[in-house]
Amino acid sequence: GENVEQHPSTLSVQEGDSAVIKCTYSDSASNYFPWYKQELGKGPQLIIDIRSNVGEKKDQRIAVTLNKTAKHFSLHITETQPEDSAVYFCAASLGGGATNKLIFGTGTLLAVQP
Amino acid sequence: GAVVSQHPSRVICKSGTSVKIECRSLDFQATTMFWYRQFPKQSLMLMATSNEGSKATYEQGVEKDKFLINHASLTLSTLTVTSAHPEDSSFYICSAGTGNNQPQHFGDGTRLSIL
Repeated sequence: GENVEQHPSTLSVQEGDSAVIKCTYSDSASNYFPWYKQELGKGPQLIIDIRSNVGEKKDQRIAVTLNKTAKHFSLHITETQPEDSAVYFCAASLGGGATNKLIFGTGTLLAVQP
Repeated sequence: GAVVSQHPSRVICKSGTSVKIECRSLDFQATTMFWYRQFPKQSLMLMATSNEGSKATYEQGVEKDKFLINHASLTLSTLTVTSAHPEDSSFYICSAGTGNNQPQHFGDGTRLSIL
C-alpha cells in the first residue's frame, strides 16, 4: 500500500521567512496530493492540493510543487506570519477526491517566531 | 464551501460505556465519509470508509465490532465506540467531500476521554 513520508517533523522560522515542507510517496499510481493545516484541537483544513497532471500550483503565499518521477512533493509558504503556526500534513491518494481514501504523512509542526 | 460537522466535540465517560459520534455534511450530500483516529502528536490514521446504504470498509487492524459505523443517510454517518476502555481515548475525526473530483473536508473532531 501507499506510504507517505514527511520532513521535517518540526520547523521554526522567523516571521517573514519562507518555510518548505517535503513529502515523498511510494505508490507511483497516486495522483492527488492535498496539504492540510491543523490547529490545536481542531480538524485539518485543506490549504492547497495538486493533481498529477500539474507540476506546480500557487495560491497567494502558498505553493505546492510535484515531481512525479522522484515521487515527491513540497509545500512552500512565503512571507510567513505567526498565524501560519500549526501542524501541516501532506497526503496522497489514488484517484483523488471525495471517494478515495487519503494516506497522510507524519506531520510538520511549524512555529513562526514574531 | 463544504462544511462537515461533528458532534459532540468532547466526551468524557467511564470505562465500559458505549459512545456515539455523529458526522454530518451540512450543505452537501456525501455517499462516502471517512473516519480517522489521531493520537497526541501523531498523524491521522484511517479507521474505516463509511458508505451510504452499505457496510463500512474497515482498515486492517481496526475491529469492526468495536467501532460500529452506520451511514444512515447521505448527510449523516455515525461511529459508535462500544464498551470503550482507556486505550480508546483519542481524537476521532471524520471527513467527506462533495463529489468525485472534489477534495475532502474534515470535521473539527471529537475528543474522547475514557476514565
